[in-house]
Amino acid sequence: GDSVTQTEGPVTVSESESLIINCTYSATSIAYPNLFWYVRYPGEGLQLLLKVITAGQKGSSRGFEATYNKETTSFHLQKASVQESDSAVYYCALGDHSGGSNYKLTFGKGTLLTVTP
Amino acid sequence: EAAVTQSPRNKVTVTGGNVTLSCRQTNSHNYMYWYRQDTGHGLRLIHYSYGAGNLQIGDVPDGYKATRTTQEDFFLLLELASPSQTSLYFCASSDADYNNQAPLFGEGTRLSVL
Repeated sequence: GDSVTQTEGPVTVSESESLIINCTYSATSIAYPNLFWYVRYPGEGLQLLLKVITAGQKGSSRGFEATYNKETTSFHLQKASVQESDSAVYYCALGDHSGGSNYKLTFGKGTLLTVTP
Repeated sequence: EAAVTQSPRNKVTVTGGNVTLSCRQTNSHNYMYWYRQDTGHGLRLIHYSYGAGNLQIGDVPDGYKATRTTQEDFFLLLELASPSQTSLYFCASSDADYNNQAPLFGEGTRLSVL
């Protein structure tokens, strides 16, 4: 089946430092899945951070970026300068969109990020 | 505004108890999902559905039943709850085009089985 592997946490970064959370995927049922980053802030639900539907494209939101690399099957999340408010759990996810009963997301294990002042 | 609403938000039950978690979406989405979230495991798919009366088995279905009564409502049933089912449960809805909108999640239901 499909699988997603991401940086194991917890990750601690100082404010204004750069961040990269690695994500690689394996898709067995579809050649070019859709890729997502979701985030869960403390005490809140799961919300979409960014998505990329097309291989080779880059998505960005709130200063975060991720590029869909089909050669390396990767979708790493990066930010040049983190803030304390970025402290959260980040999930990389693969979306199978091949139709019928296959429309579902497969998630990585999540990466807990703590940004220290 | 698109929304996924879960109830209850918190639930405590005893081993062997009967629990129903509810999810309602107002997005006119065909697909609805139940995930459980556990530290060290991420989100794992329990059951999902692509329409009223339809049910698909996810990756960790043991001990769970689900029912999709309408386009809007999707229920997760634990008929003999066990401590291993203590978890944070998320419901989500999606249409059949991720390019249009990524799946939307509810705020979660925290279940404790004592």
